[in-house]
Amino acid sequence: EPEVTQTPSHQVTQMGQEVILRCVPISNHLYFYWYRQILGQKVEFLVSFYNNEISEKSEIFDDQFSVERPDGSNFTLKIRSTKLEDSAMYFCASSEAGRGGEQYFGPGTRLTVT
Amino acid sequence: GDSVTQMEGPVTLSEEAFLTINCTYTATGYPSLFWYVQYPGEGLQLLLKATKADDKGSNKGFEATYRKETTSFHLEKGSVQVSDSAVYFCALRNQAGTALIFGKGTTLSVSS
Repeated sequence: EPEVTQTPSHQVTQMGQEVILRCVPISNHLYFYWYRQILGQKVEFLVSFYNNEISEKSEIFDDQFSVERPDGSNFTLKIRSTKLEDSAMYFCASSEAGRGGEQYFGPGTRLTVT
Repeated sequence: GDSVTQMEGPVTLSEEAFLTINCTYTATGYPSLFWYVQYPGEGLQLLLKATKADDKGSNKGFEATYRKETTSFHLEKGSVQVSDSAVYFCALRNQAGTALIFGKGTTLSVSS
């Protein structure tokens, strides 16, 4: 069964450094998403992406975040200058359709900022 | 804004016990409602969904009914198994958007 994959599973970085989290969505899916979960808190929506554009983003997704589909298979989340409060589990998801489509999630990348 | 509230965990049950995990929501319009499950080391998986009032979603023995009058979508299972041990997330998606809005998650632990 096709699945969303994410790399790395765990990333440790120092405050102020840039990180790129990588995702490979399911191959025939057209919509891509990033969510995050700070330990002990809710899973929070960050951004959705379709047709090489951001289609929706939350207040969390500020100028330090960016997303890109650099080739036909990868979908990346870049955090330009990490802060301690960026430590969280980051989930990628993809769906065939937008509003009506089931979102399939990857296993997550745990980001630790020291 | 839209939000989801679900009961705090952990919930600890013996095998074959009845399960209820409460979920209530606040949203404008007519959101779609979901339950996702996360097994250890894995991503969130859709367990069931309902897209309009009075719809019942069901899967793997789990059920939830979309109750607009009480803004609730409680998850139930008649007889839990050890393999049901996981974290369960209630979520909604507003008609207008693509974003899923999640509750905090409820950890279920089932012992034999």
